[in-house]
Amino acid sequence: AQSVAQPEDQVNVAEGNPLTVKCTYSVSGNPYLFWYVQYPNRGLQFLLKYITGDNLVKGSYGFEAEFNKSQTSFHLKKPSALVSDSALYFCAVRDMGTDKLIFGTGTRLQVFP
Amino acid sequence: DTGVSQDPRHKITKRGQNVTFRCDPISEHNRLYWYRQTLGQGPEFLTYFQNEAQLEKSRLLSDRFSAERPKGSFSTLEIQRTEQGDSAMYLCASSLEGDNSPLHFGNGTRLTVT
Repeated sequence: AQSVAQPEDQVNVAEGNPLTVKCTYSVSGNPYLFWYVQYPNRGLQFLLKYITGDNLVKGSYGFEAEFNKSQTSFHLKKPSALVSDSALYFCAVRDMGTDKLIFGTGTRLQVFP
Repeated sequence: DTGVSQDPRHKITKRGQNVTFRCDPISEHNRLYWYRQTLGQGPEFLTYFQNEAQLEKSRLLSDRFSAERPKGSFSTLEIQRTEQGDSAMYLCASSLEGDNSPLHFGNGTRLTVT
């Protein structure tokens, strides 16, 4: 069965510093991986996806993610964090049979001034 | 692009009552998904439609839950005889068919069962 794991419940980073939010995956076959962000009392917003091709994927709001097949990881990164990036971040993998997304438990990112 | 719309945003109901939520997907999207999210957790899949056909239902979807998408456009999710454990955020998402297509989520309906 497809699954993703987000090992950190919370990540704290100072504004202007680089940030990384970790995600590892377990799939049979080639993974289709996604990152979403959720602000309080809102739905999830799509940030980026990896389907195939370059291992470094660029997405919305300056975020990028690095696909690493040998480590089965898909970490979300940003070179310089903003306070407004503070939110809940979810990694997800696509179930190949139904196209539904299977989400991780989420990581709360806190960027402090 | 008006995005995915969900109604109502909030619903407070007493245990035992029935509730119905509505989701209007992005107009050209033929796939529609329902998820449930509880505090501190990631969204959990409930069911999905391709056009009007309901193609999969999670084991989380007990007999008290039913979803419809009668004309392949909007969808409704009904919970009968609500229980306190049903309190959660119910999220709707839509997408085009295909592995590359991301899901677009609405802002959810927050259900509180007292």
